[in-house]
Amino acid sequence: EAQVTQNPRYLITVTGKKLTVTCSQNMNHEYMSWYRQDPGLGLRQIYYSMNVEVTDKGDVPEGYKVSRKEKRNFPLILESPSPNQTSLYFCASNPLWISGQYNEQFFGPGTRLTVL
Amino acid sequence: ILNVEQSPQSLHVQEGDSTNFTCSFPSSNFYALHWYRWETAKSPEALFVMTLNGDEKKKGRISATLNTKEGYSYLYIKGSQPEDSATYLCASSGNTPLVFGKGTRLSVIA
Repeated sequence: EAQVTQNPRYLITVTGKKLTVTCSQNMNHEYMSWYRQDPGLGLRQIYYSMNVEVTDKGDVPEGYKVSRKEKRNFPLILESPSPNQTSLYFCASNPLWISGQYNEQFFGPGTRLTVL
Repeated sequence: ILNVEQSPQSLHVQEGDSTNFTCSFPSSNFYALHWYRWETAKSPEALFVMTLNGDEKKKGRISATLNTKEGYSYLYIKGSQPEDSATYLCASSGNTPLVFGKGTRLSVIA
């Protein structure tokens, strides 16, 4: 089944304790991205990657890191989490341009992170 | 930064009513306009991706139109049902990756 998976789905942690949220897709998509969703603010992009070893900042990159060593994986790293990073996080992938068509984006199930 | 606006922010309709909402986006450097349906406790699911001015797409009772010259898209739902209750997101890509609007939250009352 074609899908985007994220782990963990729920995480409660404390300020300053490094954490990684994994994201994996099995559709061979070039483009992957991370979003955070906060009430009243919609989906805001944190980082994106157009392909392996190519990453770029989105709208709200501060406090986050990413890596894209393989096409299928795009982990989100919080080196020193703070309470303002408490949010719902979505990973997404997109095949970009195929056969002259822009294509839909596929979202993972979300990770609800609470930083105390 | 691309600015994508959606209106209204929320909407309550009776079962059976038809409804529509708007997505506005910058018309310069436009590549594609996406619509997603996002139910509570789930992840967003794609409804449509449109690229051409005048494009119209339909999926069941839901349809969308696109005007790239003036920078807007409408999403229509005909004969709303309670299961249509969700947040509807639009997203535009110009020479940047997808930028999402804040969504229109639709509640259909039985």
